[in-house]
Amino acid sequence: RKEVEQDPGPFNVPEGATVAFNCTYSNSASQSFFWYRQDCRKEPKLLMSVYSSGNEDGRFTAQLNRASQYISLLIRDSKLSDSATYLCAVNPPGYSTLTFGKGTMLLVSP
Amino acid sequence: DGGITQSPKYLFRKEGQNVTLSCEQNLNHDAMYWYRQDPGQGLRLIYYSQIVNDFQKGDIAEGYSVSREKKESFPLTVTSAQKNPTAFYLCASSIILGRGNTEAFFGQGTRLTVV
Repeated sequence: RKEVEQDPGPFNVPEGATVAFNCTYSNSASQSFFWYRQDCRKEPKLLMSVYSSGNEDGRFTAQLNRASQYISLLIRDSKLSDSATYLCAVNPPGYSTLTFGKGTMLLVSP
Repeated sequence: DGGITQSPKYLFRKEGQNVTLSCEQNLNHDAMYWYRQDPGQGLRLIYYSQIVNDFQKGDIAEGYSVSREKKESFPLTVTSAQKNPTAFYLCASSIILGRGNTEAFFGQGTRLTVV
């Protein structure tokens, strides 16, 4: 099992839709988790941090399921500007580095 | 403005040449990282440093070298030993929180092409 896995997509959704992505991780002792947004040919930008059960910021909600070892990102009321690749990152225990998934591409259409 | 600055944004290198990518941060972050991103791939860790004058290899360190002489600076040298250096290189920095937790922030990246 790879350390961090994501469905590459693309997820094609209409404006206003709700969409969710999952990210699975292999190390059950991992303590912190992050969602980054990356636009084409740009650097990743931190979207949300998840240290306990979840986090919410406006239209974005991240949830952590430790029993099944995955985190999810829910986007409500999708906007055209949400089109991007969403990267999941996990902080392995005992390390200050992040392990990234390959990302999930989201395309929001009018 | 506080942030992470990478330069140059685009870099072309002839085969057999070494090239150095610059990364500077004024966020007073302790840790700095270099990642490589290839099309369709995630970010892969090359090197990281948690403190001045100390650094560790990441998953794909072969053909690369780094130095950390100052807290603000973490340059990456891509040597001629790196067989496939064409990629998007991303520098990041973070504060090391308790239990190793960290939020990393990225520079704008350097796109290296070998010609």
